[in-house]
Amino acid sequence: AQSVTQLDSHVSVSEGTPVLLRCNYSSSYSPSLFWYVQHPNKGLQLLLKYTSAATLVKGINGFEAEFKKSETSFHLTKPSAHMSDAAEYFCVVSQRRSQAGTALIFGKGTTLSVSS
Amino acid sequence: KAGVTQTPRYLIKTRGQQVTLSCSPISGHRSVSWYQQTPGQGLQFLFEYFSETQRNKGNFPGRFSGRQFSNSRSEMNVSTLELGDSALYLCASSSSLTSGGAETGELFFGEGSRLTVL
Repeated sequence: AQSVTQLDSHVSVSEGTPVLLRCNYSSSYSPSLFWYVQHPNKGLQLLLKYTSAATLVKGINGFEAEFKKSETSFHLTKPSAHMSDAAEYFCVVSQRRSQAGTALIFGKGTTLSVSS
Repeated sequence: KAGVTQTPRYLIKTRGQQVTLSCSPISGHRSVSWYQQTPGQGLQFLFEYFSETQRNKGNFPGRFSGRQFSNSRSEMNVSTLELGDSALYLCASSSSLTSGGAETGELFFGEGSRLTVL
């Protein structure tokens, strides 16, 4: 079975400092991994995705993530936090199901707070 | 291009009642998925519809059901509401022809319908 574990439920940074949101995954096959962001009272937006191409994936708003198979990790980083980055972030793995198709399995989320 | 539209945005029901939520996907998207989001359980997959057929289903009781119309609009229904059904219900659409966008991860989410059960 596939699963994701987000190692921190809450991360606080100062504006202009680096951001690191950690995610470990479990998958019995080569996974597709994603990061989504959810701003308060909004739907989710895809930040970036890994689908077995380059291991370093660049996303929107300056975020990037590195797929490390040996560590089963897919951590999300940003060199310099901005106030507008404050939101909840979800690490996601695709789950292959017994019937046709797949579904997305979401981590529990990491709330990112950014202070000025 | 209009995004995914969910109605109503907020609603309050009492235990035992039933509720219907609506989702209009992005024009041209044929796959619609539903997720339940709660503080305790996080985001959980409910079901996915593609071309009016339920293609995938999560681990929810039969009180949760859905359907999709020929124009790809989808509804989900929860009968005999329980307090634990209070949640944000998110709809997502995808242009994926295979599996609700799961391989590509490119799901486009609406802003959700927040259901409170009293």
